[in-house]
Amino acid sequence: DAKTTQPPSMDCAEGRAANLPCNHSTISGNEYVYWYRQIHSQGPQYIIHGLKNNETNEMASLIITEDRKSSTLILPHATLRDTAVYYCIVPQFGNEKLTFGTGTRLTIIP
Amino acid sequence: EAGVTQFPSHSVIEKGQTVTLRCDPISGHDNLYWYRRVMGKEIKFLLHFVKESKQDESGMPNNRFLAERTGGTYSTLKVQPAELEDSGVYFCASSQDQGWMNTEAFFGQGTRLTVV
Repeated sequence: DAKTTQPPSMDCAEGRAANLPCNHSTISGNEYVYWYRQIHSQGPQYIIHGLKNNETNEMASLIITEDRKSSTLILPHATLRDTAVYYCIVPQFGNEKLTFGTGTRLTIIP
Repeated sequence: EAGVTQFPSHSVIEKGQTVTLRCDPISGHDNLYWYRRVMGKEIKFLLHFVKESKQDESGMPNNRFLAERTGGTYSTLKVQPAELEDSGVYFCASSQDQGWMNTEAFFGQGTRLTVV
């Protein structure tokens, strides 16, 4: 998998947008960027993924730079329930397994 | 639609005993994965089934671990004999087969295994 680098922790005020960065400078042209999160002791939860275009779904937006070497996950209106560890993952093309790394521990502050 | 379900949710066994974990994937999902998180460490891949076949078992720690997926439906992960270092949370995930395109994986809530 392409190596990803994320800050170990971030805080965000409730109701504000949470912007989580990820660097993946060794990404290949056909590799997707995935974001998952793990809330407390629950199973990891898929959030969003993209290849080169920006993506948005009901949970979040994903902004990928033009050179694809970095991306930002945006939670537009963070709530306390968004407190979790967020993982940026770039699986090797055609390989289904996920390499989680240490992620970013996001804490939403009331 | 039911998500990925895992049984049991918790298991406490003595060192040397055998434990079998079960995972029921989402219906119709050909891909099934096992992962685990050992205390204080990252979530690590164990193995990947496509239907009943083992596609990748590179993450299996040793031959005390045996995974099966008979008939390509549910899967079991047996640890025999269990050791203290096997304690952790075992996650199962499943995904649809999209061929060339990676797809999202749906995870179960995990089985917390404690070996004493």
